[in-house]
Amino acid sequence: GQSLEQPSEVTAVEGAIVQINCTYQTSGFYGLSWYQQHDGGAPTFLSYNALDGLEETGRFSSFLSRSDSYGYLLLQELQMKDSASYFCAVRASTSGTYKYIFGTGTRLKVLA
Amino acid sequence: DTAVSQTPKYLVTQMGNDKSIKCEQNLGHDTMYWYKQDSKKFLKIMFSYNNKELIINETVPNRFSPKSPDKAHLNLHINSLELGDSAVYFCASSPSTREQYFGPGTRLTVT
Repeated sequence: GQSLEQPSEVTAVEGAIVQINCTYQTSGFYGLSWYQQHDGGAPTFLSYNALDGLEETGRFSSFLSRSDSYGYLLLQELQMKDSASYFCAVRASTSGTYKYIFGTGTRLKVLA
Repeated sequence: DTAVSQTPKYLVTQMGNDKSIKCEQNLGHDTMYWYKQDSKKFLKIMFSYNNKELIINETVPNRFSPKSPDKAHLNLHINSLELGDSAVYFCASSPSTREQYFGPGTRLTVT
């Protein structure tokens, strides 16, 4: 089957660095995305990795290791507004059609 | 300058009714999606259309029927609503395989 695992909750203090891990099991893997969702809001795209390595976008970075079926989202200089749920999502192709599978989300709490 | 819009934002209805949710995107994207997010925040893709053509059709009850009159619109019609259909439904569009842009969501409550 296809599945993604991420921690359900992470807590950190303002100014700190936090890493949210995502491991996946899927066939036909194409890439790994990360989305942020505030309570009551819509998911917002953060990053996408198709190749191994680190992608940096401002305070956020995302890493992928295809051989380990593993990725992470790194948030630096945490701010209160970063308190939200973070979802990893795999884009995979099976039988010629692609699909997106989302993880169950990690709730990040940033403390003052 | 709304990118992806959905109507209505809230929908409260009784079991057995039929309802529709509308989605429009003004980003010029070719691909649009419908997602369901349940009370545990699990986000699951339901359908995907590319240039008005259905390309992803997950295992959802056939009470759910998407309709794409043109590239900018993807509507979701639900027949014979059930309690378990209560959720937030998100429409999304994408220009490529990298990212998706989500609408604000429609919170459906079936009583």
